[in-house]
Amino acid sequence: GIQVEQSPPDLILQEGANSTLRCNFSDSVNNLQWFHQNPWGQLINLFYIPSGTKQNGRLSATTVATERYSLLYISSSQTTDSGVYFCAAGSGNTGKLIFGQGTTLQVKP
Amino acid sequence: GAGVSQSPSNKVTEKGKDVELRCDPISGHTALYWYRQSLGQGLEFLIYFQGNSAPDKSGLPSDRFSAERTGGSVSTLTIQRTQQEDSAVYLCASSVSRVRSETQYFGPGTRLLVL
Repeated sequence: GIQVEQSPPDLILQEGANSTLRCNFSDSVNNLQWFHQNPWGQLINLFYIPSGTKQNGRLSATTVATERYSLLYISSSQTTDSGVYFCAAGSGNTGKLIFGQGTTLQVKP
Repeated sequence: GAGVSQSPSNKVTEKGKDVELRCDPISGHTALYWYRQSLGQGLEFLIYFQGNSAPDKSGLPSDRFSAERTGGSVSTLTIQRTQQEDSAVYLCASSVSRVRSETQYFGPGTRLLVL
């Protein structure tokens, strides 16, 4: 099955800095999502992006399906951006998502 | 509209007891998923429902785990004879349909602790 790897595992930023999180996947996918898990454990959808580029405010994401990777960009980071960012990929017919191990982001004031 | 809801929020049980976890998907969503999140294993897929049928049960870890969905809406995940390694956060997600791959929306989870 698909394997999903995220890097870096941990990231510490100063407020206002920019960052790039990476997700590599081992096979072609028909589903690729980025999530932010807040301190209360809720998984919040950021992007559904099996291919192409999307932007939402300070966040943007790009998936290059042919090269099997996706990038999440966070610009002008804020303390509220802290938490764990997960990439999840799926293929086949069931919508089953395989999650990476996450990137833990800490934004310091 | 309302998101995915799960109950209970927290459950503490003794080893060997049975537990039932409930998921209410977003109204109109025909696809429903169960995942669990534990420290050692990360986030793992358990089972997928399309309507009331479960075409993919490949993630259920043992025959102590079962799930059902009735009326194409509410789903119940049952764990029989709970073990300490079942302690985890059980997450439910739903999506509009599985005709094509789509965004999954997650509930807040049920935190299960088996003593």
